[in-house]
Amino acid sequence: KQEVTQIPAALSVPEGENLVLNCSFTDSAIYNLQWFRQDPGKGLTSLLLIQSSQREQTSGRLNASLDKSSGRSTLYIAASQPGDSATYLCAVAGIYNQGGKLIFGQGTELSVKP
Amino acid sequence: NAGVMQNPRHLVRRRGQEARLRCSPMKGHSHVYWYRQLPEEGLKFMVYLQKENIIDESGMPKERFSAEFPKEGPSILRIQQVVRGDSAAYFCASSPAGRNQPQHFGDGTRLSIL
Repeated sequence: KQEVTQIPAALSVPEGENLVLNCSFTDSAIYNLQWFRQDPGKGLTSLLLIQSSQREQTSGRLNASLDKSSGRSTLYIAASQPGDSATYLCAVAGIYNQGGKLIFGQGTELSVKP
Repeated sequence: NAGVMQNPRHLVRRRGQEARLRCSPMKGHSHVYWYRQLPEEGLKFMVYLQKENIIDESGMPKERFSAEFPKEGPSILRIQQVVRGDSAAYFCASSPAGRNQPQHFGDGTRLSIL
């Protein structure tokens, strides 16, 4: 059974700092891993999707890496801003579920202080 | 290009009533997914549908819950005879066909049971 864990559960940093969020999963049989952000009372915004054959994806100040063999992914945020404050979720799509079912971690609540 | 549209945003029902949640996928998306976020818990997969077909309903409770995605019109998640434990945020996501397509989420329906 796939389990996804995110560490830390909460993180507070001063503005401008670079930071790393961690995600681990127990079953490496995945199609892809997706990172989302969720603002309070809102839905999820897709940030990056990494296919199982890829090592990393970049979008602006965000860089996500994937090490499928060790069951780990990291989300790197450069030069953090107060607008980055949100809950960040990682989710994996397993190959045993026709790729449709996402298994989510519990999230990391990020607070960037001005 | 409108995103995933869910309505209503908030729904209040009394115990024993029926709740109907609607989801219109993004234009060009033929796959719909429903997730539930209980208070203080992470997002849990419920069901994966394509037009007129249920592909994976492994996360759906066996009783009272049903979902459909008809040929015409939005996807509907129906909860019959609601109980207090059904209070949660229900999110819909959609994607194009293909295993490595990102899922795009709506803003959710907050269901409260009195």
